[in-house]
Amino acid sequence: DAGVIQSPRHEVTEMGQEVTLRCKPISGHDYLFWYRQTMMRGLELLIYFNNNVPIDDSGMPEDRFSAKMPNASFSTLKIQPSEPRDSAVYFCASSLSGAAWTQYFGPGTRLLVL
Amino acid sequence: AQSVTQLDSHVSVSEGTPVLLRCNYSSSYSPSLFWYVQHPNKGLQLLLKYTSAATLVKGINGFEAEFKKSETSFHLTKPSAHMSDAAEYFCVGTNSGNTPLVFGKGTRLSVIA
Repeated sequence: DAGVIQSPRHEVTEMGQEVTLRCKPISGHDYLFWYRQTMMRGLELLIYFNNNVPIDDSGMPEDRFSAKMPNASFSTLKIQPSEPRDSAVYFCASSLSGAAWTQYFGPGTRLLVL
Repeated sequence: AQSVTQLDSHVSVSEGTPVLLRCNYSSSYSPSLFWYVQHPNKGLQLLLKYTSAATLVKGINGFEAEFKKSETSFHLTKPSAHMSDAAEYFCVGTNSGNTPLVFGKGTRLSVIA
């Protein structure tokens, strides 16, 4: 299995630009999670989906952030407009219901907003 | 609600000596507990998990952890540290609320040659 795939691995953009991060979960997994990691705040859960439906988005920082999961094999996290404080590493993870929430993480997208 | 506390933000050991990374949890029910490792500029990798079966759990790379209900602890150990073990380690637990997992703040392990 290829594991969780994220793209791009690195993104550098200017303040005000739209940023789209992509994730392909492990085939057959029905949960998908988006996390953000910074030195100051550590690892934060932003949103998670079950069977493509958003279950809890209480961690999404503000309306500039949005996430979609149009099908079982693809999800996006969009930031519009981006700000320097959004600079972080964004991780996607997936898991299988009934597996005690065992999550498998992607390699992350390192975002730098100038 | 579940909470997970990693007692040390940084642990430094010499190569070949034992590793102990401490984690306490609080929960009103029997939790599932995990240890993840994150090497620099990498994603999180599952080391091991406890799900109410055997209290001593063996993971990858020689790591193991013991669930002690009386002490509400789930400490991670390894008999002999390797240089490649230098990384950030996260203790993680389940939560009865809406958030599937609760992450500790992490312990950075340094291994000195």
